[in-house]
Amino acid sequence: QVQLVQSGAEVKKPGASVKVSCKASGYTFTSYYMHWVRQAPGQGLEWMGVINPSGGSATYAQKFQGRVTMTRDTSTSTVYMDLSSLRSEDTAVYYCARGGIAVAGNQDYWGQGTLVTVSS
Amino acid sequence: EIVLTQSPGTLSLSPGERATLSCRASQSVISSYLAWYQQKPGQAPRLLIYGATSRATGIPDRFSGSGSGTDFTLTISRLEPEDFAVYYCQQYGSSLTFGPGTKVDIK
Repeated sequence: QVQLVQSGAEVKKPGASVKVSCKASGYTFTSYYMHWVRQAPGQGLEWMGVINPSGGSATYAQKFQGRVTMTRDTSTSTVYMDLSSLRSEDTAVYYCARGGIAVAGNQDYWGQGTLVTVSS
Repeated sequence: EIVLTQSPGTLSLSPGERATLSCRASQSVISSYLAWYQQKPGQAPRLLIYGATSRATGIPDRFSGSGSGTDFTLTISRLEPEDFAVYYCQQYGSSLTFGPGTKVDIK
């Protein structure tokens, strides 16, 4: 069965960086895009970007350009989301979610979420 | 960027009633690349509908999607207790954006 298992909660200071991991299993890792979506406390869903695990290319939402980097390790079927220059508004639950095969597509499986808290 | 607007913001209904949720896009959604997600407190979103009208795997047939262009609808034919949640629409034809959500709560 498809599973996406994310790394644990993080507490960071403003200005720091955070790296969240998402380990995939139960399917061919390089065949499906992987998205990152975040949700601030009590707020809606916000798309951050998507990575193609096959070639490693990524597309980022304009809001996060220059601050986010998505990478993958095919040997461990893991994708990473690195967010830098953290501020309090980045406090949120971060989700990885499997996308489509040939296109980024919608998201049919989601990780359990990783809470990132940014506080001085 | 395509902006999605959902209405109403909150829908108060009783179990067994019909729920009709609306999602309007600021411009036409390419190839009806419109999805609906359900989210319950403390849980990750769950895909219900993709391609505007196709139910995802394991989704009961009381959930249905319709629409094209800029106007889309999610209908829950008879609300079950487990359906009270927040529902988001999403377009994935031009980059990707989510609507603000509609909360369906118990009347």
